[in-house]
Amino acid sequence: AQKITQTQPGMFVQEKEAVTLDCTYDTSDPSYGLFWYKQPSSGEMIFLIYQGSYDQQNATEGRYSLNFQKARKSANLVISASQLGDSAMYFCAMREGLSGGYQKVTFGIGTKLQVIP
Amino acid sequence: DSGVTQTPKHLITATGQRVTLRCSPRSGDLSVYWYQQSLDQGLQFLIQYYNGEERAKGNILERFSAQQFPDLHSELNLSSLELGDSALYFCASSVPLLVSGGAQETQYFGPGTRLLVL
Repeated sequence: AQKITQTQPGMFVQEKEAVTLDCTYDTSDPSYGLFWYKQPSSGEMIFLIYQGSYDQQNATEGRYSLNFQKARKSANLVISASQLGDSAMYFCAMREGLSGGYQKVTFGIGTKLQVIP
Repeated sequence: DSGVTQTPKHLITATGQRVTLRCSPRSGDLSVYWYQQSLDQGLQFLIQYYNGEERAKGNILERFSAQQFPDLHSELNLSSLELGDSALYFCASSVPLLVSGGAQETQYFGPGTRLLVL
């Protein structure tokens, strides 16, 4: 089974609108972390937001929020007020295993977001 | 700028050759991770080092090896290169974020090394 599933290969959104990028995960580890990264066409990987498995509230970072539904094993990224600079590939990732130096990280295949003026 | 540096930025070489990719983690980060991103395989975790010791192995080929030095920089060695090794190779480093329930870590990525094997 896929550890991280991103079912939307590509999405379009109008500038200034909100958009939700889907991510579901699969793990039996009680302690895990969920991440979203952005990869613009220039290639660098930019960390956006983090959600821990024990966090009670959804994570937010500026225009980014993570809609964490633990029972459904989903961690959708919501971008509010889209900007042209948001056009990029977006990757969902999961870290399993306790810290203390060890972690196993799995990435999804990504969603390509295009913001339309 | 994530604070993670990688050299070289681009590398063109021939099949059968050997190359070394270098990574310097963010100041204070003890963990270094290597990833390979290719068009057909996506982003694949290769290997993790923590304070000089290998901690986790992913889909790393036997032709590939890595090490982390006492100053915490890391090198990824790719040998007997094949056309299919052409990819973007990322290094990431992490700092522990202490939250309730245990320590969690966010990885910060370097700009990557784009390898082209001809």
